[in-house]
Order: sequence, then C-alpha cells, then structure tokens
Amino acid sequence: DTGVSQNPRHKITKRGQNVTFRCDPISEHNRLYWYRQTLGQGPEFLTYFQNEAQLEKSRLLSDRFSAERPKGSFSTLEIQRTEQGDSAMYLCASSLSQENEQFFGPGTRLTVL
Amino acid sequence: KQEVTQIPAALSVPEGENLVLNCSFTDSAIYNLQWFRQDPGKGLTSLLLIQSSQREQTSGRLNASLDKSSGRSTLYIAASQPGDSATYLCAPPPRGTSYGKLTFGQGTILTVHP
Repeated sequence: DTGVSQNPRHKITKRGQNVTFRCDPISEHNRLYWYRQTLGQGPEFLTYFQNEAQLEKSRLLSDRFSAERPKGSFSTLEIQRTEQGDSAMYLCASSLSQENEQFFGPGTRLTVL
Repeated sequence: KQEVTQIPAALSVPEGENLVLNCSFTDSAIYNLQWFRQDPGKGLTSLLLIQSSQREQTSGRLNASLDKSSGRSTLYIAASQPGDSATYLCAPPPRGTSYGKLTFGQGTILTVHP
C-alpha cells in the first residue's frame, strides 16, 4: 500500500493522559499536514511540515500539542494532558509540493473519557 | 482568511439522477481547488484537483468547474449511484504564506437511494 497511513486508527484514553499518533506519508512527499475534524464539521488545519521543518502552526494547536517530523519522513503528533475537548478525528495528509494534490490518511479517532 | 460555504448542506436523491454540488469561497486568489469525498468515520479521498488556470476537470462521472472571479466551484455527478453516498468537501487553498493549507466548509451530505 503506497498511500498515507496512520496509527493507531482508534485511541481511547482518560482525561489527563498523554497520547501520540503517527503518520507515514506517501514516499517522497515533501509536505505533511495535520488536520483535526469534529463531528459534522470539515477538517481544520493544525500544522504542516516541509521536509523536517515545521512551517506553520494553527492557533488551535495549544501548548499541549507538539508535532515532529525528525527525518523528513514520518511524523508524530503528541497531545499532553488530554482534555475531553480533544476528542476528534486527527487526519494526516501529504503532498509532493505546495501546488500538488493532498492525499489523506484514514485518520486516528481519539476519544477522551 | 479563506471562508468556504457549501450548498446544499444535505441532498437526498433517487438513483440515476444527475446532481450539482456548490462551493463558494471568499479569497479568489487560489492556485487550485480540490474536491474530496468522505465516507462516515473515514479519511478523505481526493476526487479532482482543478488548477486555477483551468475552468473544469473531469473524472469518470464527475465534472468539476471553477469560476475564480466569482469564487465558485461546482461538482457535477452524472447518473448517481448508491455508492456515491458520502460527504463531499471542497478546499480552495489561497496563495501566499498559507498556501497549501486547506480550508474546508462543512460539506454536502449526499444520500442516493436505490
């Protein structure tokens, strides 16, 4: 499978715990994006990387959120001290460059109890 | 800031009908516009990408048009099938430093009845 993959697909955690999600983009795609989607809404941009550099972060990304792409390949998104309001689908996408089509992964569904 | 509106919010049609989904956006300085479909609980599947220099793009039973000057795009689905049932989203990323960051509307929920 050469598409974007995300792990885990589902995560249930208790409030206050830390969680980490992983995204593996399409090989050779330089750009990697994270979005968050709540029920009934379209996805909202969180952050993106050009290779290993994190170029922009949304105001939605509080200090409890951190993302990395250490070698310019896979990326991780960590949420510390989770809150119930963090419950959402976290989507990852990649593209060859800024002008090109973005391809999305299947998402990670987070439920914070 | 790019704002995207999709009309209608929901659409229910019998199988075989041709239908049109509408997308309007406030910042017309875009490089391209992408249409996606999303099945319940799943990620987004890219359907079509229209470059700003193009007026339309076709893939199978799908045809998307773009009118940048008026900030509008339409997705035409011919001979709809039950398998077309999904949420359809458009995303027109604006130029500039935010380019590449997709902004979505709430989408159009399509239900095609057998």
